[in-house]
Amino acid sequence: DGGITQSPKYLFRKEGQNVTLSCEQNLNHDAMYWYRQDPGQGLRLIYYSQIVNDFQKGDIAEGYSVSREKKESFPLTVTSAQKNPTAFYLCASCTTTGGSNQPQHFGDGTRLSIL
Amino acid sequence: AQSVTQLDSHVSVSEGTPVLLRCNYSSSYSPSLFWYVQHPNKGLQLLLKYTSAATLVKGINGFEAEFKKSETSFHLTKPSAHMSDAAEYFCVVRFMNYGGSQGNLIFGKGTKLSVKP
Repeated sequence: DGGITQSPKYLFRKEGQNVTLSCEQNLNHDAMYWYRQDPGQGLRLIYYSQIVNDFQKGDIAEGYSVSREKKESFPLTVTSAQKNPTAFYLCASCTTTGGSNQPQHFGDGTRLSIL
Repeated sequence: AQSVTQLDSHVSVSEGTPVLLRCNYSSSYSPSLFWYVQHPNKGLQLLLKYTSAATLVKGINGFEAEFKKSETSFHLTKPSAHMSDAAEYFCVVRFMNYGGSQGNLIFGKGTKLSVKP
């Protein structure tokens, strides 16, 4: 089945440690997105990529980094500079053809906590 | 400024009664509109989307939404709630940017739906 796979489901970070969240899609979508979800705040955009080897900052990019070396993969690194990383992280993908009403498809998320 | 507002953070209904989740947007441009549902510790699942073909949009699991341009609203309804409908629901808007380029999504803060037996 086509879809988006996020791993791991749960992740713990120690002080001063960088951690990387994986996101893989087999939907052949050009665009991929990372969101952060905190209770009562909806989803906030961290980074997005419309094409391989290119990505842009979203609304809350500080303390995060990404890469897009392959169409299928868009890993997110939470660096030690992100002082409040505890959150639920969601990856999404979308086709860039067919107009503005194309929906984003979401993975099942990674819950990151501080040790 | 472009924004989307979900008017209720929490809605509680009894099983078998109607559901109404309210969403308003503000924009000078024609938006694309979506409703997503999220069950605990899961990703977001698309319920329905507004495509401009019809103002009343039918989605999965018996949900539907009506686009009212004059009221800038896109409320989600279901005639009869089921226990399995208990979840968080997000109204999501995409605005077209200048030059017709596709903008990013803007999410409402969500409405938690509780269903009592």
